[in-house]
Amino acid sequence: AQTVTQSQPEMSVQEAETVTLSCTYDTSENNYYLFWYKQPPSRQMILVIRQEAYKQQNATENRFSVNFQKAAKSFSLKISDSQLGDTAMYFCAFMKHGVYNTGTASKLTFGTGTRLQVTL
Amino acid sequence: DVKVTQSSRYLVKRTGEKVFLECVQDMDHENMFWYRQDPGLGLRLIYFSYDVKMKEKGDIPEGYSVSREKKERFSLILESASTNQTSMYLCASSSHLGEQVSYEQYFGPGTRLTVT
Repeated sequence: AQTVTQSQPEMSVQEAETVTLSCTYDTSENNYYLFWYKQPPSRQMILVIRQEAYKQQNATENRFSVNFQKAAKSFSLKISDSQLGDTAMYFCAFMKHGVYNTGTASKLTFGTGTRLQVTL
Repeated sequence: DVKVTQSSRYLVKRTGEKVFLECVQDMDHENMFWYRQDPGLGLRLIYFSYDVKMKEKGDIPEGYSVSREKKERFSLILESASTNQTSMYLCASSSHLGEQVSYEQYFGPGTRLTVT
């Protein structure tokens, strides 16, 4: 079974600053995906960024980037130039890479989340 | 844009009642999921379905059942609601690409259920 750990329940950052959210995971799988999801207050969860484990290059999406360390099983999210709209719960998640009709291959395992507050 | 809708944003039920939570997606996704979200515990998978009439237990299926009679609709059923089922319930859907499982799940707005 996979586990995902987010050790920072809450974080705060000033607008325009950079913040890094930590995530570690445990798995015996070699092929998998990692995700960061964002859940703004009273709004729907949306995907921020994803990383395929077989890719060595770290994923980036505009102001969001990851530091993927496969050997260390670490997957941190860096938010640059933080904006007030980045205030949200952030969840790290793990998914095995597999074949559709096995059913279990599409499951996500989530961490407990980090509540990020961006302040003026 | 993918749209996942849930029948209620807020729901209050009494202990012992049968509760139905409905989820509908409009993108012809094969996979649908039900999670519950609790503070400090993150999201935990209750049940999921990868095809019509197909379902599999997630990590915490006890006290719940599901139904998927049509591809776009996935229902979560609490046969006899209890106070420990007070929670936020999130529905999600995803598609697959050929023989490879897809990676992005699209979430509904959630239903906050209170059982008194």
